Amino acid sequence: GQNIDQPTEMTATEGAIVQINCTYQTSGFNGLFWYQQHAGEAPTFLSYNVLDGLEEKGRFSSFLSRSKGYSYLLLKELQMKDSASYLCAAMDSNYQLIWGAGTKLIIKP
Amino acid sequence: GAVVSQHPSWVICKSGTSVKIECRSLDFQATTMFWYRQFPKQSLMLMATSNEGSKATYEQGVEKDKFLINHASLTLSTLTVTSAHPEDSSFYICSARDRSDYEQYFGPGTRLTVT
Repeated sequence: GQNIDQPTEMTATEGAIVQINCTYQTSGFNGLFWYQQHAGEAPTFLSYNVLDGLEEKGRFSSFLSRSKGYSYLLLKELQMKDSASYLCAAMDSNYQLIWGAGTKLIIKP
Repeated sequence: GAVVSQHPSWVICKSGTSVKIECRSLDFQATTMFWYRQFPKQSLMLMATSNEGSKATYEQGVEKDKFLINHASLTLSTLTVTSAHPEDSSFYICSARDRSDYEQYFGPGTRLTVT
């Protein structure tokens, strides 16, 4: 079966760094997406990885290891506005997104 | 960037009535559109996938006669919740993808409350 695992909730301090992990099992693989979703709003795109390695985009970076079925989202210099749910989604061989349940990130001052 | 709109943003309807939600891609041709439902504090649940000009493919457990999806053009898909019940109250989100892009662009969502 297809499955995405990510922690349910994480807490971090403003200004710090947090890493949100995601493991996936899919029928075929066409890339790994990370989305941010604030409460009551639709998801917004953060990153897309299809090759192994680290992609850096400002304060956010995303890493992928295809052999391990593993990705992480790294958030640096945390700000209060980063409090949100972070959704990991893997694209399978049919180009369908398989969604994780999301990680609720709580930022404390 | 690619923009997807949804209308209405929120709607309150009485039990037994039908509600239509529109999803439009404003600056690109959406060959595929997706409809999701999200209950409070839960992740996105894919309801159906629709390709322009063809019938929607529904996920297991989603009643196709209750959730009618039409994708008649490359810029518009509609979801009609027929004979709505309070348990259909949820956040409905559409997303769209064009032929040349793997990324799904999300609409802002529609909050449906059935009383």
